Amino acid sequence: EPEVTQTPSHQVTQMGQEVILRCVPISNHLYFYWYRQILGQKVEFLVSFYNNEISEKSEIFDDQFSVERPDGSNFTLKIRSTKLEDSAMYFCASSYEGIGNQPQHFGDGTRLSIL
Amino acid sequence: AQSVAQPEDQVNVAEGNPLTVKCTYSVSGNPYLFWYVQYPNRGLQFLLKYITGDNLVKGSYGFEAEFNKSQTSFHLKKPSALVSDSALYFCAVRHSGGYQKVTFGTGTKLQVIP
Repeated sequence: EPEVTQTPSHQVTQMGQEVILRCVPISNHLYFYWYRQILGQKVEFLVSFYNNEISEKSEIFDDQFSVERPDGSNFTLKIRSTKLEDSAMYFCASSYEGIGNQPQHFGDGTRLSIL
Repeated sequence: AQSVAQPEDQVNVAEGNPLTVKCTYSVSGNPYLFWYVQYPNRGLQFLLKYITGDNLVKGSYGFEAEFNKSQTSFHLKKPSALVSDSALYFCAVRHSGGYQKVTFGTGTKLQVIP
C-alpha cells in the first residue's frame, strides 16, 4: 500500500535556525497537509495545500512557517527562525480529495527538537 | 468551529473482552467522522470513517464505530480486544461543507491486559 514518507525522522536544531521538513505524499494525491503534535498533546492542524497554494491554515501557521511543493513529488514545511516551542512531532498527510469523504493518510512524522 | 472530545485519557480492558473508546463531537452541519490509531513512534493510521448512511461503520482490524446523531457521539468498539490493539486512538471530525481541516481529539490510550 502506498505510503506518505517523511524525512528526516528526527531533526535537532539550534533555536533561531531555519529548518526544512520534507515529505513525499502518495503519488496520485492532490491535497497535502501538515499537522503537529507537541509531546503528550493532541494533533493540531497547521496548513492544507492544493494546486500550489495554501487553501487553509490555522492560527499556529504564522509568518515563521511556509510550505512549498518544489517539484512533482516533494512537499516541504519550512520554519524560518525556530523557537523552543516549535519542538514537536510534525506529520505530513495527503489525500486524493480535499473536500469529501476521503481520509487523510499520514506519514510517520519528523520529531523536531529545538535546543 | 468544530471540536472533538475524548473524555477518557486511558482505557484498560482485559484481552478477549469487548472494548469501547468514547468520542463526542461538535460541528455545524453534517460531520465527517474518523478514527485513527497511533502506535509508538509512528504516524496516524486510518481505521474507519462515517460519512453518511448506516450508523454502524466497520473498519480495519475488527474495529467498528457507532454514529449517534442525537448524542453527537462516535464511539469506537471492538467485540474482543487483542493485546496488539494497545495503542493511542484519536477521534477526528471534519466539516462536510468543504473545509479541509481535520480536528482531532486529545487521544485515548488503550491498554489491553493479557
